[in-house]
Amino acid sequence: QQQVRQSSQSLTVWEGETAILNCSYENSAFDYFPWYQQFPGEGPALLIAIRSVSDKKEDGRFTIFFNKREKNLSLHIKDSQPGDSATYFCAASAQTGGYKVVFGSGTRLLVSP
Amino acid sequence: EAAVTQSPRNKVAVTGGKVTLSCNQTNNHNNMYWYRQDTGHGLRLIHYSYGAGSTEKGDIPDGYKASRPSQENFSLILELATPSQTSVYFCASGERLGGYEQYFGPGTRLTVL
Repeated sequence: QQQVRQSSQSLTVWEGETAILNCSYENSAFDYFPWYQQFPGEGPALLIAIRSVSDKKEDGRFTIFFNKREKNLSLHIKDSQPGDSATYFCAASAQTGGYKVVFGSGTRLLVSP
Repeated sequence: EAAVTQSPRNKVAVTGGKVTLSCNQTNNHNNMYWYRQDTGHGLRLIHYSYGAGSTEKGDIPDGYKASRPSQENFSLILELATPSQTSVYFCASGERLGGYEQYFGPGTRLTVL
């Protein structure tokens, strides 16, 4: 049973396009949703995160759109660059009850020049 | 700068042997985590710790033990390694359990023959 689901294992976009990575979750108690970026041979690193009280979080070229009613969210990478090629993990956690972070299975993004 | 280091970076073990993976953090974070990463599964939590002397079971603890002798160090122990434990293992540290950023180490690639 996957509590956090990423619909695409891989995604390829052209340089300059907007990459859209989708994620859905099951547990209504989740209230914090980080996205981690991982390059080959490295550990994941936090890219951007949103709390469930917001429906949008923007940081430079990266934007999270969050839909609490539908239990889904998406990461938009505007003006994609080849350096954005990496695996992106959607994750979720609930602050109450000491809940652990649950990760999705990841989407491998390739940005072609 | 947050720093989590892991040793060894690569390990080949034999079935039935004992394996110890080590993690050190200089962030002075209370919480530390061990994950394994396998294709199609993302990151799965094995054990975690709230502080020195504490260890807690994560989502997939079977076949693994953990030890937190100090604030800085957190070890993962495979008493009787099996080929199914071949994976990449990541250690992470974080200030709070759930809802806050986790800082990951570079990973240990373990192969059990």
